[in-house]
Amino acid sequence: DTGVSQDPRHKITKRGQNVTFRCDPISEHNRLYWYRQTLGQGPEFLTYFQNEAQLEKSRLLSDRFSAERPKGSFSTLEIQRTEQGDSAMYLCASSSRDTNTEAFFGQGTRLTVV
Amino acid sequence: GQNIDQPTEMTATEGAIVQINCTYQTSGFNGLFWYQQHAGEAPTFLSYNVLDGLEEKGRFSSFLSRSKGYSYLLLKELQMKDSASYLCAVIFDYKLSFGAGTTVTVRA
Repeated sequence: DTGVSQDPRHKITKRGQNVTFRCDPISEHNRLYWYRQTLGQGPEFLTYFQNEAQLEKSRLLSDRFSAERPKGSFSTLEIQRTEQGDSAMYLCASSSRDTNTEAFFGQGTRLTVV
Repeated sequence: GQNIDQPTEMTATEGAIVQINCTYQTSGFNGLFWYQQHAGEAPTFLSYNVLDGLEEKGRFSSFLSRSKGYSYLLLKELQMKDSASYLCAVIFDYKLSFGAGTTVTVRA
């Protein structure tokens, strides 16, 4: 399978702990996005990378959130000192830089903070 | 800012037609996507419109009017497997912004 893959699929953590998620995009895609989705809502934009450069970070992301894409390939999203409000599905998507091709989504990481 | 509106829920009978409307007011526009999302799964691409008019792809069609900030997704010959959430999304530059989604329930 050469689609977008995310790891882990599910994560349960205690409030206050740090968590890190990984996304492996489609290999030839240079655009990578992180979204957050809660029940009954559409995906909310969190951040965007073009190659290794993080070009935009949403106001939704507090200082507890950080994302990296060190070599322009896989990306990580870290949440420090998790709170119950962080419980959500975290989706990664990738696309080609060719104008407005569709974004392909991974299966997501479902985070539950208890 | 981005404002993308679509109905929350729709119900239709197997074999029927359903039209999901989407209106948008965004700071820029380079195209509109429709995605399908089954519960617990990732969104999957259905259609892309950048010019006004109708794009047809099998049982699914999507329409765009840029002057009205309006699009619709038409699902024909509904099947039970079409029960899902349908997401309208606008792209400007590189950023894809989504509506809240419309949950379609297909009944026998």
